[in-house]
This record gives sequence, structure tokens and C-alpha cells, in this order.
Amino acid sequence: TQLLEQSPQFLSIQEGENLTVYCNSSSVFSSLQWYRQEPGEGPVLLVTVVTGGEVKKLKRLTFQFGDARKDSSLHITAAQPGDTGLYLCAGVQGAQKLVFGQGTRLTINP
Amino acid sequence: NAGVTQTPKFQVLKTGQSMTLQCAQDMNHEYMSWYRQDPGMGLRLIHYSVGAGITDQGEVPNGYNVSRSTTEDFPLRLLSAAPSQTSVYFCASSRETGMGNSPLHFGNGTRLTVT
Repeated sequence: TQLLEQSPQFLSIQEGENLTVYCNSSSVFSSLQWYRQEPGEGPVLLVTVVTGGEVKKLKRLTFQFGDARKDSSLHITAAQPGDTGLYLCAGVQGAQKLVFGQGTRLTINP
Repeated sequence: NAGVTQTPKFQVLKTGQSMTLQCAQDMNHEYMSWYRQDPGMGLRLIHYSVGAGITDQGEVPNGYNVSRSTTEDFPLRLLSAAPSQTSVYFCASSRETGMGNSPLHFGNGTRLTVT
């Protein structure tokens, strides 16, 4: 059983469309991180959200932490082919462990 | 700075063989960890260390050993490889041991196949 469930696991859309990726758990996390991974490379941090209800924006990407700190979402506006990649959410568990969701593989078609 | 360096990039082992995956970081990070990445499973924590001489188990530690004799190095040992250990292995480090305070910096992975 995955502690963090991401949905959808796969998403293929056309350039210019909007999309939302969800990261859900029954557990409360002190903070949640979003990473992006390119083929053949390790994940790279995009953002950390700490406060329940917090919203952070990174250009066309908007990240939100749920009020109860159990879930998060990533919304991409006007997706570009350069947004293609594997998106991973990760929750801090017990201060010294980072638990990852299974990832959302996003493909943006020109 | 090189960041987190993993060697080798690719490895093929026969069942029962042993090997060590190397990981080194040049950022003077206290926290280091090993993850394995399998399709549909995300990244699962194998072992982690909050400083030289200190290691602890993650979610999936069975079949793997680690040690941390220096701040820079955190090798992962497979004592008797099994096909279930076929995976991509990532080493990661962080400046602080409190995971919410600083991000993980990942290496580029080692792709291991056990036949």
C-alpha cells in the first residue's frame, strides 16, 4: 500500500492545455515536496509546501497544500512540451524520512 | 561542484553475486540516503544516514547493507543479489537532517539488472 497516492499515473495532453496532478494520503505530513525527474537523471526539487492551505507558484506551475496537510495538487497552465517528465510528490515522515508517491508521467504533445 | 556522484551507471549481476554501489557527495551534507525506483512504485527508501557512523533502515532494507565511515561516502552493498533487486538505485543527500528544511539532491542513478 502506497502511503502517498498520485493520480493520474499517466497523462498525455496537447500543448496549451491545462492539467492537474493530485497527491493524496490518509496521513498528515509536516511538509510536502514536489520533484520532477527527466529520463536518466535523478529527481530535482520544484517546491516545498509547509503550511496547510499554502499556495506556491513557479511560473505556469501552481502547487497547493491541503488545509489538513494530507494532500497536495500541482496545476500546470498552458502546458509546454518542456513540461514533459515524471512528477513526484514526497511527504516528510518522522523528520528524517521522505516518502514518495508513485509518480505521474506527463507527456505534452506539440 | 560535482554534487552527488554514483558509480557505476549500469551493472549486470548473476543471482548470488555481491557488489557495492558507490555514492559520494562533495557538498558536506550530513544526511545521505539510498532509494530504489521501480515502475509504478515511485522511490522507496532503503537506508539512510544522518551523519558519519550513524545509519538506519528505511522502508525496504532487506538484502542491503550500508556504512558511513566518512561524511562524503555512503556505499550500498548487496551481499547476495536476487532478481527482485533489479531496479534503478538513487543516492541522495541533504544539507540538514530535518527533511522538511532542505531538499534532497539526487545522483543520476545506477541501473542494476540481476539475472
